[in-house]
Amino acid sequence: QQQVKQSPQSLIVQKGGISIINCAYENTAFDYFPWYQQFPGKGPALLIAIRPDVSEKKEGRFTISFNKSAKQFSLHIMDSQPGDSATYFCAPRPAGNTPLVFGKGTRLSVIA
Amino acid sequence: DTAVSQTPKYLVTQMGNDKSIKCEQNLGHDTMYWYKQDSKKFLKIMFSYNNKELIINETVPNRFSPKSPDKAHLNLHINSLELGDSAVYFCASSQLTGGNEQYFGPGTRLTVT
Repeated sequence: QQQVKQSPQSLIVQKGGISIINCAYENTAFDYFPWYQQFPGKGPALLIAIRPDVSEKKEGRFTISFNKSAKQFSLHIMDSQPGDSATYFCAPRPAGNTPLVFGKGTRLSVIA
Repeated sequence: DTAVSQTPKYLVTQMGNDKSIKCEQNLGHDTMYWYKQDSKKFLKIMFSYNNKELIINETVPNRFSPKSPDKAHLNLHINSLELGDSAVYFCASSQLTGGNEQYFGPGTRLTVT
């Protein structure tokens, strides 16, 4: 049973543009909504995360928008740079002592 | 000061062999995990250990056996390797299962020929 649907699968953005990646979830018991970033040859690393009591969180060029009623959250990368080229995973956490549920990933390529 | 380390980085072996991957974390975390990432970048959890006890064992062939000698180490032993086992294996840790942040190791690329 797929609890998390991430889209798009891949994304090509011009340098300076906005990258948007979406994550839809089915389990309303998720209580923590992070995005992980993975560069080639490296392990994933936490990029930014949000809790369901806020609708938006911004850290530098990265913003999470959270829509509880639609059961969706998205990652926005403003002024995208070639160094942002990586695979991004949404990984919401079910409430309780359970691990993160990773989406299938989005490969972002930022071209100059 | 590597937080989560894995050895080896690369592992090339033949079908039918038995191999192990080692993982150590120096973060003082209670929970450690093993993930498998295939060629399409899908990241699938295999095992979760909390304080040396197995918490989660997803649908994984019993050829895979995790071993946790202490809280800081979680090794993965694989028997009778198959071609389909070729993937990148990541170890991770967090403070408690489902902790706010999981710290991943650099990965071990396993190639079975």
